[in-house]
Amino acid sequence: RKEVEQDPGPFNVPEGATVAFNCTYSNSASQSFFWYRQDCRKEPKLLMSVYSSGNEDGRFTAQLNRASQYISLLIRDSKLSDSATYLCVAFTGGGNKLTFGTGTQLKVEL
Amino acid sequence: NAGVMQNPRHLVRRRGQEARLRCSPMKGHSHVYWYRQLPEEGLKFMVYLQKENIIDESGMPKERFSAEFPKEGPSILRIQQVVRGDSAAYFCASSPPIGNWKEAFFGQGTRLTVV
Repeated sequence: RKEVEQDPGPFNVPEGATVAFNCTYSNSASQSFFWYRQDCRKEPKLLMSVYSSGNEDGRFTAQLNRASQYISLLIRDSKLSDSATYLCVAFTGGGNKLTFGTGTQLKVEL
Repeated sequence: NAGVMQNPRHLVRRRGQEARLRCSPMKGHSHVYWYRQLPEEGLKFMVYLQKENIIDESGMPKERFSAEFPKEGPSILRIQQVVRGDSAAYFCASSPPIGNWKEAFFGQGTRLTVV
C-alpha cells in the first residue's frame, strides 16, 4: 500500500465549479501535511499547509482528519489557471522528509 | 523558487555513461533533499544531506547512485553507468538549518534522458 494515496483523476470541471480532492495516508507517525501544486512537470510548489482545525486561503480550503488519516482540498470558483496537478504530501519529522502522493490532475475548462 | 539552482536543466546520456546533477541551495539553507519523478509517477525521496553529511539515504538505489554535499560548492547527485530506467526528472529542494518544510523550496529540476 502506498504511504500517501490519491485519485489520479483527471478531474475536468467547468470554470467556476467547486472541486474537492481527497487523500489518505497510512503512516500514523506523519506529523504535518501539505498540498503542493505542480504545473506541467515543473517543480512542485507549496500551496498550503493542512491543519486539523481546517484552514482556508482564499478559494482554497484544506482539512485534516487524523482519526481517519484523511486529507482534503476544496477549490471554490475554479479558474483556468487552477489547472495543474495537486500533490498531497505527508511530513515525517523523524526522517525530516516529505512523502508525496502521485497527484491528482485538475483541468478547468471554459 | 528561483533561489534553488539546478543544472543542467536537461541532460542526455547514452547507456553506460555517468550523469552528474548539481544543486545549489538557497542562500542560508544548509539542508538539501533529492527527489526523483519517473514518468507518470509521484516524487520519490532519494536522499537527505547536510553540509558534508548524508543524513538519510534510504531512498537511494543500492548501486550506481551516490550523493554528496561538500563544505564548498553545490550538492551533486551522481549516477554511474546509466540505464534507460534512470530517465526521469530529478528535483532538489533546500531548507533552512532547522529543516522547516514550510520554508523549503524546490529547484526547477534536471530532466535526464538516457538513450
